[in-house]
Amino acid sequence: NAGVTQTPKFQVLKTGQSMTLQCAQDMNHNSMYWYRQDPGMGLRLIYYSASEGTTDKGEVPNGYNVSRLNKREFSLRLESAAPSQTSVYFCASSSSVGYTFGSGTRLTVV
Amino acid sequence: GQQLNQSPQSMFIQEGEDVSMNCTSSSIFNTWLWYKQDPGEGPVLLIALYKAGELTSNGRLTAQFGITRKDSFLNISASIPSDVGIYFCAGRNYGGSQGNLIFGKGTKLSVKP
Repeated sequence: NAGVTQTPKFQVLKTGQSMTLQCAQDMNHNSMYWYRQDPGMGLRLIYYSASEGTTDKGEVPNGYNVSRLNKREFSLRLESAAPSQTSVYFCASSSSVGYTFGSGTRLTVV
Repeated sequence: GQQLNQSPQSMFIQEGEDVSMNCTSSSIFNTWLWYKQDPGEGPVLLIALYKAGELTSNGRLTAQFGITRKDSFLNISASIPSDVGIYFCAGRNYGGSQGNLIFGKGTKLSVKP
């Protein structure tokens, strides 16, 4: 099925560990986004990529890095995980209509 | 930066009741979107609105783009248990920063069967 695929769906990390969240879309969209969702906070933009080869900071970029590997793939990296990064992470890609979201990665940092 | 005020934050309703939620902004938008998020899933687009005053329906859902371009509402008629979830409004301005789409904080809908 066409859409946005995120891996993994669940992850538990120890404080200080690193990991990369993967995202791929097969809709030929130019723009891709990473959000985090916390209770009562809605969706907060971490980073986005307006096109292949470009990335920009969003509202809450600290502690994260991103790579737009090609038009399909946009990864989010936590270099040194902290408990404050426990959250649900969503990747999205954008068409002229709106955003298509992946099903999310639930990350717990202990 | 731009912010959307979405209300109510949560609501409990009896099955069969109508539901109404809204979003307001201090800034104007060119597009209003409404998303629904089921538990454990990502948000899914329900309705997109492109013109001030536009009224659009999708089954039991009806949404309107406010004439001032600073607000939008979503109505759900005759609610059923599967309407449970979080509803997000989002506003879009072409040419803006932050990826152009601004989200409200969501309305959590719970339905008593």
